[in-house]
Amino acid sequence: SAVISQKPSRDICQRGTSLTIQCQVDSQVTMMFWYRQQPGQSLTLIATANQGSEATYESGFVIDKFPISRPNLTFSTLTVSNMSPEDSSIYLCSVDGEGPFLSFGSGTQLSVL
Amino acid sequence: AQSVSQHNHHVILSEAASLELGCNYSYGGTVNLFWYVQYPGQHLQLLLKYFSGDPLVKGIKGFEAEFIKSKFSFNLRKPSVQWSDTAEYFCAVNAMDSSYKLIFGSGTRLLVRP
Repeated sequence: SAVISQKPSRDICQRGTSLTIQCQVDSQVTMMFWYRQQPGQSLTLIATANQGSEATYESGFVIDKFPISRPNLTFSTLTVSNMSPEDSSIYLCSVDGEGPFLSFGSGTQLSVL
Repeated sequence: AQSVSQHNHHVILSEAASLELGCNYSYGGTVNLFWYVQYPGQHLQLLLKYFSGDPLVKGIKGFEAEFIKSKFSFNLRKPSVQWSDTAEYFCAVNAMDSSYKLIFGSGTRLLVRP
């Protein structure tokens, strides 16, 4: 299955700032997704990153807060904008694997002070 | 809306004990079912998956899961756990009409005592 690299692996940010998380895959993939795992909770899908078009956001997530780019079939970024402590989470990039399942990156642990 | 329920949030077992983690989902259509595992400090890994066919699915490290359609369940089992099975386990469901979007359960933290 695809090897997924996420950067940064962790960061501590100040309230009101923005952080861009990068996701690089070692092969071309059709589907890229961004998930959030809040402390003590399960994974929640933020959006599907579409190559060549705007991302598709899930209920409760908006483009102004989580802008996403997908310039090609191996790369995507997620920006967490105007951060607050409630944005402290692990953010995970995932891609379609060998079949209809997902492979996940190692995640970005974000702490907002 | 689709949902996935994992009723055991924390499980503590001794080595060699048998394990069964419950997973129930709510969706009336055809689904793909998954169990993912997250070992301490590591990323999420696919443990096993069910798409169709034999409802008893065998995965890595001696794990298996049984899909019971009438009960909307996909319970994970292992006859004899090891200390190295200490991890968090997530059940996930993909409705076949919604691309690869996964709905995850809340997870079960398993601690295996040596």
